[in-house]
Amino acid sequence: EVQLVESGGGLVQSGGSLRLSCSASGFSFSSNAMHWVRLAPGKGLEYVSAISSNGGSTYYADSVKGRFTISRDNSKNTLYLQMSSLRTEDTAVYYCLKDLNSYGFDFWGQGTLVTVSS
Amino acid sequence: QSALTQPASVSGSPGQSITISCTGTSSDVGSYDLVSWYQHHPGKAPKLMIYEVTKRPSEISSRFSGSKSGNTASLTISGLQAEDEADFYCCSYAGSSTYWVFGGGTKLTVL
Repeated sequence: EVQLVESGGGLVQSGGSLRLSCSASGFSFSSNAMHWVRLAPGKGLEYVSAISSNGGSTYYADSVKGRFTISRDNSKNTLYLQMSSLRTEDTAVYYCLKDLNSYGFDFWGQGTLVTVSS
Repeated sequence: QSALTQPASVSGSPGQSITISCTGTSSDVGSYDLVSWYQHHPGKAPKLMIYEVTKRPSEISSRFSGSKSGNTASLTISGLQAEDEADFYCCSYAGSSTYWVFGGGTKLTVL
């Protein structure tokens, strides 16, 4: 059974940093690209970042470029999102997603809440 | 404001059919057959319902179907059941610069 479990969310002040983790199991983690998506209160889903299976290629939405860094440790089956210079508009539930051969996302975690206070 | 436009809410009675639209542009929905739909019960992990516009994961009921015409994709749910009540999001590939875009979500209420 595929499982994605996010952790690391919490309350942080504007300008602060957090590192999210996503522990993966039930599939060949090192063979799959992975993604982060967020859901802000009262808003729709927003695509945040992606990383290729070997970590050699990454993508960032303009809204987080230069502030967030995606990475992975295939030996630990873990995906990361290092978030710095956080803003109140980064407040959201952050989801870790498994790539479906570039056709979409076939599994999501339950999410971790990040709250940025002013 | 989300890149893809969905109605904020739809409703239907048990047994009825409903359709949720997802309108994008010629740069996303209109250019790629890479539209997917996700069902989200709040507090739980979102679930893939449809991918590549019309394909259904094996575990998803045939009551769920997808289609696309021009810049608009649609999700149809037939034979509505109480457990279908959830938020639904569409998603489309939008090219190598933008990658993926989502809709604002549609709240489905089963009356």
